[in-house]
Formats: sequence, C-alpha cells, structure tokens
Amino acid sequence: DTGVSQDPRHKITKRGQNVTFRCDPISEHNRLYWYRQTLGQGPEFLTYFQNEAQLEKSRLLSDRFSAERPKGSFSTLEIQRTEQGDSAMYLCASRPWGTNTDTQYFGPGTRLTVL
Amino acid sequence: AQSVTQLDSHVSVSEGTPVLLRCNYSSSYSPSLFWYVQHPNKGLQLLLKYTSAATLVKGINGFEAEFKKSETSFHLTKPSAHMSDAAEYFCVVSLNNAGNMLTFGGGTRLMVKP
Repeated sequence: DTGVSQDPRHKITKRGQNVTFRCDPISEHNRLYWYRQTLGQGPEFLTYFQNEAQLEKSRLLSDRFSAERPKGSFSTLEIQRTEQGDSAMYLCASRPWGTNTDTQYFGPGTRLTVL
Repeated sequence: AQSVTQLDSHVSVSEGTPVLLRCNYSSSYSPSLFWYVQHPNKGLQLLLKYTSAATLVKGINGFEAEFKKSETSFHLTKPSAHMSDAAEYFCVVSLNNAGNMLTFGGGTRLMVKP
C-alpha cells in the first residue's frame, strides 16, 4: 500500500504525559501537513513541511506542540504535558510540490484520548 | 484570509433522490476548492476539486459541483443518492500562496434513508 500511514491509530494517555505520533507520507511527496480534528468539527491546519523545512508553525495550538521531519521523509508530532482538551483526531496529509496538482492525500489519523 | 461555510450541518434524503450539500467560501484570491468525504472510521477521501478550469467539476461516485464566483458558492450535488453515500462531507478551500494549507468547513452529515 503506498498511501499515507500513521502510527499509532489510537492512543490513550493520562493528563500530563507526553505523546508522539508518526506519519509516513506517500513516497516522494515532499510536502507534509498536520491537522487536528475535534469531534463534530472539520480538520484545522497545524503545520507543514517542505522536505525537512518547517515552513509554517504559527498555527500550532501552543508551545506544547512540536513537529519534526528530520530527513524529509517521515514526520513526528509531539504533544508535551497533555491536557484533556488535546483529545482529538490528528491527521497527516502529503502532496507532491512543484507539480500542477495541489491535492492532499490523507492518512487514517491517530485518535488521542487524554484521561 | 479564507473561510468556508457549510450551510447545513445535517442533510437527510431518501435513497434514489437528489443530494444537495451547500457550501459558500470567502477568499481574497482565486482559490482552489475541494470536496472531501469521510466515512466512519476511515480517512478523508477526495471527491472532486476545482482549480480554475471548468466551473462544473465532476468527481467520483457520481458527484459533481459547480463553482459560481458571483455567489462565492461551490455546492455539491448528486442526482440519485445511494445508501453508501451516508458519510460526513467537507467543503475545503486552499490558497496557493499560503502553502496550500487547507481550510475546512464544519462538515455536513449526509443521512440516506431506505
């Protein structure tokens, strides 16, 4: 399967713990995006990378959120000191850049529950 | 700035009848517009997209949408609903000069009655 993959699919944690999610984009897609979707809402943009460069991070929800893409392939999203309000679905998407297509392809998401 | 408003949070139709999901957008520049569908426990799937070519866009599974600049609308339609169309639908806008980040509407839940 050559789609976007995310791991884990579900994560349950206690308030105050740190969590890290992984996203593997479609091979050779050099743009990678993170979104958050809370219950009953549409996804909201968090951050994106072009290769290993993080080009936009002002939409990250707080300084507890950080993302990396060190080798320009997979990416991780970390949430430190989790709060109950962080419970949501975290979505990753990728797309090729420099082509005439701007379609983003989404992974299945990681569902976070903070107790 | 860009924004998307989906005018109905829930739409219920009978199988075999037409579907209309309404979307209005606001954008300072010429946007790209998309409709994505999300089935329960599945990822977002692209239905169709508009990128300044033909104003009537055909997508998968018999869906189509018409871009009307004067009305800033991008409504999604289908002539005949199937039970398998029951899902959450998102209208989405993207700006090329904003890294192509997507701005989603709040979603419309489509219910199809037998």
